[in-house]
Amino acid sequence: SQQGEEDPQALSIQEGENATMNCSYKTSINNLQWYRQNSGRGLVHLILIRSNEREKHSGRLRVTLDTSKKSSSLLITASRAADTASYFCATAALSEKLVFGKGTKLTVNP
Amino acid sequence: EAGVAQSPRYKIIEKRQSVAFWCNPISGHATLYWYQQILGQGPKLLIQFQNNGVVDDSQLPKDRFSAERLKGVDSTLKIQPAKLEDSAVYLCASSSIKDSYGYTFGSGTRLTVV
Repeated sequence: SQQGEEDPQALSIQEGENATMNCSYKTSINNLQWYRQNSGRGLVHLILIRSNEREKHSGRLRVTLDTSKKSSSLLITASRAADTASYFCATAALSEKLVFGKGTKLTVNP
Repeated sequence: EAGVAQSPRYKIIEKRQSVAFWCNPISGHATLYWYQQILGQGPKLLIQFQNNGVVDDSQLPKDRFSAERLKGVDSTLKIQPAKLEDSAVYLCASSSIKDSYGYTFGSGTRLTVV
């Protein structure tokens, strides 16, 4: 069964705009990770946030985590056409096993 | 640093045939995972190895799927016999404590069962 639930399922924006994707999960976690997947390719690790962290930045990416609400958000600022991809959140408990959501399909129009 | 290698990249087989996928993880990564990703869905864990031991295979359909990890390095995933619903991308990933548990995925094998 899938732990994370991304919202929205699909998002279409113009280049230069910000994109926000949300993820909700059900059980206690050790960390939460975000991945990007371009069509027909493997997943690329973007960022990991631990359960005792509230916010993390990496370049144009900003991730927040609210363990009381069991939710996370991924913000991509100043989006580019190359950001077009599917984005997945994945949660890990102590076993290291990652459980993925269904993903958000982001389209950035030039 | 070399990434996670998988082969073949694509495979088309008829139902009831058998197929095998190969994965070579990043050198030194003790943990190896096989995921199944059906079109339009997120990846689902099939099996997790720690060195050459199985940690979690609770979602592996053991009547038709098998996996092994040779000497704690390379791994193979086999399906025998294949069903139409096995059509999916099979992803291999590896991780290390030193990388703070972030996974490195291979490019995957796209399996089509006809």
